Amino acid sequence: GENVEQHPSTLSVQEGDSAVIKCTYSDSASNYFPWYKQELGKGPQLIIDIRSNVGEKKDQRIAVTLNKTAKHFSLHITETQPEDSAVYFCAASNYGGSQGNLIFGKGTKLSVKP
Amino acid sequence: NAGVMQNPRHLVRRRGQEARLRCSPMKGHSHVYWYRQLPEEGLKFMVYLQKENIIDESGMPKERFSAEFPKEGPSILRIQQVVRGDSAAYFCASSPRRETGYNSPLHFGNGTRLTVT
Repeated sequence: GENVEQHPSTLSVQEGDSAVIKCTYSDSASNYFPWYKQELGKGPQLIIDIRSNVGEKKDQRIAVTLNKTAKHFSLHITETQPEDSAVYFCAASNYGGSQGNLIFGKGTKLSVKP
Repeated sequence: NAGVMQNPRHLVRRRGQEARLRCSPMKGHSHVYWYRQLPEEGLKFMVYLQKENIIDESGMPKERFSAEFPKEGPSILRIQQVVRGDSAAYFCASSPRRETGYNSPLHFGNGTRLTVT
């Protein structure tokens, strides 16, 4: 089955700097890769997602890149703000296949220092 | 448009008691997923249900755990004879379609935090 590895587990940056979180996946059939942000005491919130037929997607300060050959994808946050502090999870699934459930990485705790 | 509603938010049970966790999906969503999150861990898939059907329970322990999603009412995750190792946050998510994908992302509730004493 699918296995998703996420690095780093913690990340501390200064406000205004960029933050990059990386994930690798094992199942070459995976074709959908969402990123979720989880604030303390809340459920995960979808912030951006990408399909396997796209190499990059951007939404304001957030971007995701996908390398299908290497089976890794990354989240990039530019001009970080204190409110970006949260735990970020990557996930993978085989949309349309027999295993449509999301498999999550273990999360990255991002701290943005003012 | 209300999001995924879970209750209770916090639940304390003594060892051996039963825990019942409820989830009302987003309006128009007929697919429900339950995930468990241990401290400092990611979310682990437990079970996927449609109305009146369990589609995939491969992530749910075979004993003491059960789930249902009746025709009327919320989805219920039931844990019988709870043990300390069951202490975790349990999240419900819903989707409008079968497969989680680009046009049918998962929307999560705020979870139920179960503490077993």
